[in-house]
Amino acid sequence: AQSVTQPDIHITVSEGASLELRCNYSYGATPYLFWYVQSPGQGLQLLLKYFSGDTLVQGIKGFEAEFKRSQSSFNLRKPSVHWSDAAEYFCAVAPNRDDKIIFGKGTRLHILP
Amino acid sequence: NAGVMQNPRHLVRRRGQEARLRCSPMKGHSHVYWYRQLPEEGLKFMVYLQKENIIDESGMPKERFSAEFPKEGPSILRIQQVVRGDSAAYFCASSPPRGTSGKDTQYFGPGTRLTVL
Repeated sequence: AQSVTQPDIHITVSEGASLELRCNYSYGATPYLFWYVQSPGQGLQLLLKYFSGDTLVQGIKGFEAEFKRSQSSFNLRKPSVHWSDAAEYFCAVAPNRDDKIIFGKGTRLHILP
Repeated sequence: NAGVMQNPRHLVRRRGQEARLRCSPMKGHSHVYWYRQLPEEGLKFMVYLQKENIIDESGMPKERFSAEFPKEGPSILRIQQVVRGDSAAYFCASSPPRGTSGKDTQYFGPGTRLTVL
């Protein structure tokens, strides 16, 4: 069965510092991969997605993610975080294009001033 | 183009009552997905519907839960005889039909937060 692991429940970084959120997936073939962000009490916003092609994907708000097949990883990065980036981040996988999405448990990002 | 709309945003029910959650997909979207988010958890898939058809209900609890997406009107997630464990945030997502731009992406609504007393 497909699964997504986000090993860090909480991460704290200082404003202006770089960020990397880890994500590993379990799936036999190359899945469709996503990162979503959820602010408190809000719905989910898609940051970026990977379906095929270039393994480095650019998203909104200055985020990027890199698909590494050998490591079954899809880590999210941002070179310099802003206080407004404080939120919960979900990595997700879907086996097909219009299939259900399987989410990780999320990583809550805290930003120090 | 308005986004996915869900109402109510907050719903309070007593044990044993019924909860009805509504989801209006984005204009032109014919696929609807329901997910549940328990406290401190990620979202869990419940059901996938197209107009008048349930495509995948593998995530739906076997009892008390049902979903529909009629030809006209919003999609409804119905929970009968609610229990405390049903307290959660319920999110709806929609995507456009096959062969259209953006069909690979699910767009999420703001969610309905259900509290069972």
